[in-house]
Amino acid sequence: KAGVTQTPRYLIKTRGQQVTLSCSPISGHRSVSWYQQTPGQGLQFLFEYFSETQRNKGNFPGRFSGRQFSNSRSEMNVSTLELGDSALYLCASRPSGTGGEKLFFGSGTQLSVL
Amino acid sequence: DAKTTQPNSMESNEEEPVHLPCNHSTISGTDYIHWYRQLPSQGPEYVIHGLTSNVNNRMASLAIAEDRKSSTLILHRATLRDAAVYYCILNSGGSNYKLTFGKGTLLTVNP
Repeated sequence: KAGVTQTPRYLIKTRGQQVTLSCSPISGHRSVSWYQQTPGQGLQFLFEYFSETQRNKGNFPGRFSGRQFSNSRSEMNVSTLELGDSALYLCASRPSGTGGEKLFFGSGTQLSVL
Repeated sequence: DAKTTQPNSMESNEEEPVHLPCNHSTISGTDYIHWYRQLPSQGPEYVIHGLTSNVNNRMASLAIAEDRKSSTLILHRATLRDAAVYYCILNSGGSNYKLTFGKGTLLTVNP
């Protein structure tokens, strides 16, 4: 089975722009979560989607949003980018039922905001 | 979420066992203990998890104290590939599933 795939791998944007990141979960996984990783704050939970519905949300401003499609693929959008949004954005999927306690992470998208 | 405390760093020699400690004195009865690790330039990788009993899998063993206020991840024979940041995380599971990562322990493995 292919793992969690995130695109693009690297991205450079300027302040004020918006960005969309993409995540394809492992086949059969219906839950997709997003995390932000920075040197200062570490790994922080952004949100989780399950069957196209946001099920859980972390403490991030409304500029951070996401969605999930019927094929479980997910996108994350950040509007009006700030320098502090520079981070590694990680997507993770997990199966329903047995094994659902394990998260499978992608390699992330490294976003640099200039 | 209940908090965990881990040493900032540990060092080991190749092919020797490694014991990574984690304190979680405020753990609740429904909290599972999860361990993930993150190799350089990669996303975190699931290692092992448990509730009350000790657990073994092909990667590691998890020893949980009887009062559940601490646990130890055991790598039986460290290899250079085990050099990573190891995170100990508590999660009660269910639909409200989000992992709260701390700083973790940076494990260095010497050849």
